[in-house]
Amino acid sequence: GENVEQHPSTLSVQEGDSAVIKCTYSDSASNYFPWYKQELGKRPQLIIDIRSNVGEKKDQRIAVTLNKTAKHFSLHITETQPEDSAVYFCAASRAGANNLFFGTGTRLTVIP
Amino acid sequence: KAGVTQTPRYLIKTRGQQVTLSCSPISGHRSVSWYQQTPGQGLQFLFEYFSETQRNKGNFPGRFSGRQFSNSRSEMNVSTLELGDSALYLCASSLAGGLSDTQYFGPGTRLTVL
Repeated sequence: GENVEQHPSTLSVQEGDSAVIKCTYSDSASNYFPWYKQELGKRPQLIIDIRSNVGEKKDQRIAVTLNKTAKHFSLHITETQPEDSAVYFCAASRAGANNLFFGTGTRLTVIP
Repeated sequence: KAGVTQTPRYLIKTRGQQVTLSCSPISGHRSVSWYQQTPGQGLQFLFEYFSETQRNKGNFPGRFSGRQFSNSRSEMNVSTLELGDSALYLCASSLAGGLSDTQYFGPGTRLTVL
């Protein structure tokens, strides 16, 4: 089955700096890569996703890049704010399937 | 549009008992997936239902089962509970359940097994 690895497990940045979280996956058939943000005691919320027919996608301060050849994808958050503090999960799934394989999460702390 | 809802939100059971959790998807969504979240194992896929049929299944023992009703609401059942079943159980719904639809999560049911 699919195996998704995520790094780093914890990340602290100063407010206004950028944060980068990286994930690798093992199944070359995976073609959908969402990122979820989970605040303490809350549900995971989709923040951005990318499909394998594109290499990069941006939404305001958030961007995701995908390298299918190397089987890795990354989340970039620019101009970080304290409210960005949360656990971020990457995930991967195959075309036609609806089961997400998650990374182990990154706890991001933005220091005011 | 109302989001995904799950009931109950909290549950305390003892070893050996069984439990049933419920998930109501977003109106119009036909696929419901279930995930187990624990500090040690992270988020793991349990199973997915679409049009009342189990379409995908993760690597969990047969004690974990589920079903989906004609209105797309889903239930999962865990029999003969073990201490290691203590977890947050999340369900997620998506529109058509195929080709990598976006999944929207419910708030979860926190199960504690004593």
